Amino acid sequence: SQTIHQWPATLVQPVGSPLSLECTVEGTSNPNLYWYRQAAGRGLQLLFYSVGIGQISSEVPQNLSASRPQDRQFILSSKKLLLSDSGFYLCAWTPGTYSYEQYFGPGTRLTVT
Amino acid sequence: GIQVEQSPPDLILQEGANSTLRCNFSDSVNNLQWFHQNPWGQLINLFYIPSGTKQNGRLSATTVATERYSLLYISSSQTTDSGVYFCAGKTSYDKVIFGPGTSLSVIP
Repeated sequence: SQTIHQWPATLVQPVGSPLSLECTVEGTSNPNLYWYRQAAGRGLQLLFYSVGIGQISSEVPQNLSASRPQDRQFILSSKKLLLSDSGFYLCAWTPGTYSYEQYFGPGTRLTVT
Repeated sequence: GIQVEQSPPDLILQEGANSTLRCNFSDSVNNLQWFHQNPWGQLINLFYIPSGTKQNGRLSATTVATERYSLLYISSSQTTDSGVYFCAGKTSYDKVIFGPGTSLSVIP
């Protein structure tokens, strides 16, 4: 069966510090991968998605970047965090070609101080 | 534009009551899915329902793709049903976007 991992679970970082969040999927190959951010009490905002190694589509920012160095690994990064980067970051995957049913990891709660 | 809308935004139910949540989506959205976000933030898959009707216990969902809407039915609600319910759909280029959610509170 497939499993999706995210770490760390929680993170407190000062403004201006770098960020690296990692997501890995087990038990499948060539998945579509997604990063979402959820502000407190709000909906899910799509940040990045990837349909293959090295293929990244950016939906929003500015201060964040994503990379997919391996088939089942998706990394969210920032060189300098802003206060507005605080939120709940969720990684998800879909099989792609034959199904777009989406599965989510447990998420990372990021607080920028 | 590409949109996924949900109603109502908030819902308070007495335990045991039934409810219907609605999701409207624009022409370029398909492959509808329903999620429940629990109080710990975990998104739990409820239904993947591009069209037709599915049932799982007290929950059921119907998507009428030709009319661009999907409905989630909760019967005999329990306090554990509380949380936020999202619908999501696929757009072009394999993007998956979410509606704003319906926040459900079930009170004993």
